[in-house]
Amino acid sequence: SAVISQKPSRDICQRGTSLTIQCQVDSQVTMMFWYRQQPGQSLTLIATANQGSEATYESGFVIDKFPISRPNLTFSTLTVSNMSPEDSSIYLCSVEPVQGVGVNTEAFFGQGTRLTVV
Amino acid sequence: AQKITQTQPGMFVQEKEAVTLDCTYDTSDPSYGLFWYKQPSSGEMIFLIYQGSYDQQNATEGRYSLNFQKARKSANLVISASQLGDSAMYFCAMREGGSNYQLIWGAGTKLIIKP
Repeated sequence: SAVISQKPSRDICQRGTSLTIQCQVDSQVTMMFWYRQQPGQSLTLIATANQGSEATYESGFVIDKFPISRPNLTFSTLTVSNMSPEDSSIYLCSVEPVQGVGVNTEAFFGQGTRLTVV
Repeated sequence: AQKITQTQPGMFVQEKEAVTLDCTYDTSDPSYGLFWYKQPSSGEMIFLIYQGSYDQQNATEGRYSLNFQKARKSANLVISASQLGDSAMYFCAMREGGSNYQLIWGAGTKLIIKP
């Protein structure tokens, strides 16, 4: 299993500002993912953070709005840029093990960041 | 079409009773995995139980069991002897072997345990 530390756990931000969320894993992992969970909704994948290359974004999410860094196999950041109240959500980082993914691979999650934009 | 369907947006259950949370899925891939996660109000996602498409027996983990009915494409979570701490959102998710293994999530069920 992997232990994931995600910071901050919550924040209240002014519209127009940016927030960077950090995700630190206690072991090397191949794949790191960033999810958004809007209030009362399920998880929506924002992007896959690739070590040493640009993140792969899902439809509806763009790099200018959600820049992602992945400098090594244990760390990633997600920035929510130029925030508006619609960005108020829980943001979750998730990892999968370095030995690769199969249908039985459990995903591990950070504690989540509860963001409120006012 | 929805790949994962959770038809119960919310449920109220009396403490100590058993509860079944429904999940149906849609896939043509013979190899897939089904997962249940719990999300308390604090926000973290906690893995509960896994069922593989080729598993012959229903998965069990403590008070959690998975009622896997492959022909009906259902993977219901059963929680026995519910506790107040079981109050949370519960999500069903699936990985398909033929795709990029990305997790596909259901809409979730909010479970509230009444004392």
